[in-house]
Amino acid sequence: GAGVSQTPSNKVTEKGKYVELRCDPISGHTALYWYRQSLGQGPEFLIYFQGTGAADDSGLPNDRFFAVRPEGSVSTLKIQRTERGDSAVYLCASSTGGLNEQFFGPGTRLTVL
Amino acid sequence: QQQVKQSPQSLIVQKGGISIINCAYENTAFDYFPWYQQFPGKGPALLIAIRPDVSEKKEGRFTISFNKSAKQFSLHIMDSQPGDSATYFCAATSGGGADGLTFGKGTHLIIQP
Repeated sequence: GAGVSQTPSNKVTEKGKYVELRCDPISGHTALYWYRQSLGQGPEFLIYFQGTGAADDSGLPNDRFFAVRPEGSVSTLKIQRTERGDSAVYLCASSTGGLNEQFFGPGTRLTVL
Repeated sequence: QQQVKQSPQSLIVQKGGISIINCAYENTAFDYFPWYQQFPGKGPALLIAIRPDVSEKKEGRFTISFNKSAKQFSLHIMDSQPGDSATYFCAATSGGGADGLTFGKGTHLIIQP
């Protein structure tokens, strides 16, 4: 079956611009997670959705970052006024919730010039 | 504050040898400890996971050892193969595994043929 998909695979933008990153979870997965992975580091948790609501957004670094999941399936991570320090691979994962495995997508590589 | 400390940063093992990667955690609320394997350009993939009610879990060539009192856990890869060459991340979470994962910084493993 299809895994977690993320689009675009690469995004290059200029400092100060707005970007949207999309995640399509595995069908039927109720939980969705966003992580950020900087070069040479482990993924860093950003936000977790259970259904349509954000169950935990404690990892969002500041108010320039926002994520939505309006219908409980696809999610969009939105970054306003991008900064060079936002450059990283943004990973999305989904699971059936509870005790179950988080399946990761291939990520979106964001480069802010 | 780094809540999961992973070592070594890089590791070279001869084919057929044992690869050992260690992690230590600080948060006593953590109750689920997975190991992920990541190849370049790919998202992390779950390798094996353990809960604190057991001290060891084995799946094929992969074993997790868990020491709750020391707040440490380790991954052992037996009969290491060149195809095992990848970056390995330990992680931890609370909420029975439903919450966002806290990752270590990763170990770059190279298996020499």
